[in-house]
Amino acid sequence: AQKVTQAQTEISVVEKEDVTLDCVYETRDTTYYLFWYKQPPSGELVFLIRRNSFDEQNEISGRYSWNFQKSTSSFNFTITASQVVDSAVYFCALSEFSSGSARQLTFGSGTQLTVLP
Amino acid sequence: ETGVTQTPRHLVMGMTNKKSLKCEQHLGHNAMYWYKQSAKKPLELMFVYNFKEQTENNSVPSRFSPECPNSSHLFLHLHTLQPEDSALYLCASSQGYRGTDTQYFGPGTRLTVL
Repeated sequence: AQKVTQAQTEISVVEKEDVTLDCVYETRDTTYYLFWYKQPPSGELVFLIRRNSFDEQNEISGRYSWNFQKSTSSFNFTITASQVVDSAVYFCALSEFSSGSARQLTFGSGTQLTVLP
Repeated sequence: ETGVTQTPRHLVMGMTNKKSLKCEQHLGHNAMYWYKQSAKKPLELMFVYNFKEQTENNSVPSRFSPECPNSSHLFLHLHTLQPEDSALYLCASSQGYRGTDTQYFGPGTRLTVL
């Protein structure tokens, strides 16, 4: 069965600090997808990134970067020079790929990030 | 309108009321989902529709009744709810329904059952 663990329940940083959100996953499939979503106080989950299990290249998008390491089953998310607007709950999610059936997203419990001015 | 929209954004209802939540997606997707997000709990998938056909029902109580008249609209009909049903109900859509397709979420309906 698939599982996603976000051990950090809450993180507080001061603006301009870098912060890393941890995500550890479990799956028996060799093909799977990993996602990060942001949920601001308004409630909507905003898609940030999708990564498949065969692509271990790290990705950078502006102040956001993701470190995917299959050896440790981790898909960590770093925000560089954090801003107050980054305050939100961040969810990591996993979806396995099995032909012929629908496999749905399994979400972690989320990390509440608070960026203080 | 763009993306996924949900109405109403907030809803307060008594245990004997009947109400409906509405979701509409403007992304040309074929699959739509209902999730429940309770405080201190991970998101729970409730229902999945693909091309208007229900493909998943994750043991959801019958007091929740989904309806998908077409690929763009999804409803969740509510009746005789319990206080523990109070939660944020999120709708999502994706191109396909295999879970590997990226799901795009609406802003949610905050439901309070008195």
